[in-house]
Order: sequence, then structure tokens, then C-alpha cells
Amino acid sequence: AQTVTQSQPEMSVQEAETVTLSCTYDTSESDYYLFWYKQPPSRQMILVIRQEAYKQQNATENRFSVNFQKAAKSFSLKISDSQLGDAAMYFCAYSPTNTNAGKSTFGDGTTLTVKP
Amino acid sequence: DTEVTQTPKHLVMGMTNKKSLKCEQHMGHRAMYWYKQKAKKPPELMFVYSYEKLSINESVPSRFSPECPNSSLLNLHLHALQPEDSALYLCASSHVTYRGTEAFFGQGTRLTVV
Repeated sequence: AQTVTQSQPEMSVQEAETVTLSCTYDTSESDYYLFWYKQPPSRQMILVIRQEAYKQQNATENRFSVNFQKAAKSFSLKISDSQLGDAAMYFCAYSPTNTNAGKSTFGDGTTLTVKP
Repeated sequence: DTEVTQTPKHLVMGMTNKKSLKCEQHMGHRAMYWYKQKAKKPPELMFVYSYEKLSINESVPSRFSPECPNSSLLNLHLHALQPEDSALYLCASSHVTYRGTEAFFGQGTRLTVV
């Protein structure tokens, strides 16, 4: 069974600084997708960024980027120029390619606090 | 329209009550999901519907009864719940054909069982 581990239950960052959230996963599959979802206090979970395992290039979405290390099974999220609106719980999620997106395996989450 | 709409946003019910949670999406997604989420925890998958048919029931107690009347609507009927069922209930949808898509989540229903 696949597992996803987020080893940092809580992180904090100063506004405008950079923070990295860690995620490791375990799988025997060679093709899969990885996601970072953000869940602010408003509760709605939204996609931050996705990575396809067969692509070596790290995904980037504006201030958000990932460091995908397939051999190490590591998928960290870097948030640059942190903003107050980035405060939320962040979940790393794994999905094999033959599975509906909603059946992803989620990590336990990292709560990010942004200090003004 | 990239929204998944859930109603009600908050619900308080007694252990003998019957209530329903509703979820609606108009993105043409044919997979819909119910999750239960406790505070500071990841969402736990409860049910999956594919093409309006129940495809996965993650050993959920029968006091939770899902229904998918059409491709846009998903209901969760609640009956004789226990206090430990108090949680945030999230609905999500996605394309059934997986590659390159993500799940879209609603804002959830905060359920309190008294």
C-alpha cells in the first residue's frame, strides 16, 4: 500500500520569506501523480500544484514550486515571498495513474503559519 | 464554473434525527466523493461514485447512506448518528479518466451530533 509522510506537523514563516514543506511517499509504481493541496481556515481544499512522475522537470506555479526527487521518493513544496493568505494546512497527496483523483492517499498535513 | 457547492454549511442534529447533506457540481465530472475530516487530520474517503454508480464504500457504517440522483448531484443521508460522527464532511468531484486532473472540493458541512 502506498503511504505519504509529512514529517512537519507545523511550520512558520515570516511574511515575504521562503519556506519549504516536506513530503515523502512510498510506492512500487513507476508512473503516478503527486499533489499539494491547501486547506485554509475557510475549509475548502484547493490544488496548489501537481507533478507527473514521468516528468523530470519540477512543476512551478507562480510563487509555488516543488523539488521532486523520484529516486528518493521525495516531493517538497517551496513557497517563495510568503503572504498572509498562504496560512493554511497543506496536504501532500499521491495517486497512481489508474486511479480517480479523489482516491488519492493523503499525508497527515502541515499547518503553516505566516507571521506579519 | 469550477465550484463544488455543499449545503448546508453547518448542521446540528440529535442522535435520533434524519438529515441529508447535499453536493452539486456543474463541471461535467462523472466521479464524486464523500470524505469525513476530523480537525487537523487529512480527509478520509467514505464513498466514491463513478458514472452515478457506487464504486467504493470504505466500510462506512450504514447510518450513512449515499445517493447520486444524477451526474451533478450527490447526497449523503444521515440517520441515528453518534457523537463521534461529528466532523467536517467534504464532497469532491473529478473526471473519471484520471490523467492530468485533480479533485475539486466543496467547502464542507460542519456536522455536530448532540
